Amino acid sequence: AQSVTQLDSHVSVSEGTPVLLRCNYSSSYSPSLFWYVQHPNKGLQLLLKYTSAATLVKGINGFEAEFKKSETSFHLTKPSAHMSDAAEYFCVVSDSGGKLIFGQGTELSVKP
Amino acid sequence: DVKVTQSSRYLVKRTGEKVFLECVQDMDHENMFWYRQDPGLGLRLIYFSYDVKMKEKGDIPEGYSVSREKKERFSLILESASTNQTSMYLCASSLQGVSDTQYFGPGTRLTVL
Repeated sequence: AQSVTQLDSHVSVSEGTPVLLRCNYSSSYSPSLFWYVQHPNKGLQLLLKYTSAATLVKGINGFEAEFKKSETSFHLTKPSAHMSDAAEYFCVVSDSGGKLIFGQGTELSVKP
Repeated sequence: DVKVTQSSRYLVKRTGEKVFLECVQDMDHENMFWYRQDPGLGLRLIYFSYDVKMKEKGDIPEGYSVSREKKERFSLILESASTNQTSMYLCASSLQGVSDTQYFGPGTRLTVL
């Protein structure tokens, strides 16, 4: 069965410093992996998606994630945090039936 | 742009009431989904539908039912609301296929008193 674990429930960074949100997955086949972001009082928005093409995936707003099969990881990074990046981030894996399995979420705080 | 709309942003109901949550998408998507979101638990799938009049149980279907009479509309029904159904409910749609992106509505925050 597929599963996803977000290793941090809360991450706090200063504006202008790098962001790292960690995600590990478990899958019996080559999965599709996603990162979604949810800003306060807004719906979820897709940041980026991996579907077995390039292992380094670039998303919106300067975010990117690297699929590492040997480590079963799909960590989300950004070189320089902006105040507007403060939100909750979800790592997601699709199962063989097309359903999405969500991680528990990581809340990102950005300090001025 | 894909647009997924939900009928209410906030809803307050009493225990035992029948509750309808409506979701409409405007992009002719085949698939529609209902999730509930609770702090520390992420999103959990309640029901989904791959076509009109079709429905499939998700991970937590107990206490809920759904209806999809038209392609663009997917309704979530709480037959007899209970306090443990107080939550944020999110609707999503996707075109088709296993790895297609799901597009989410803004959510309905339901409180059951």
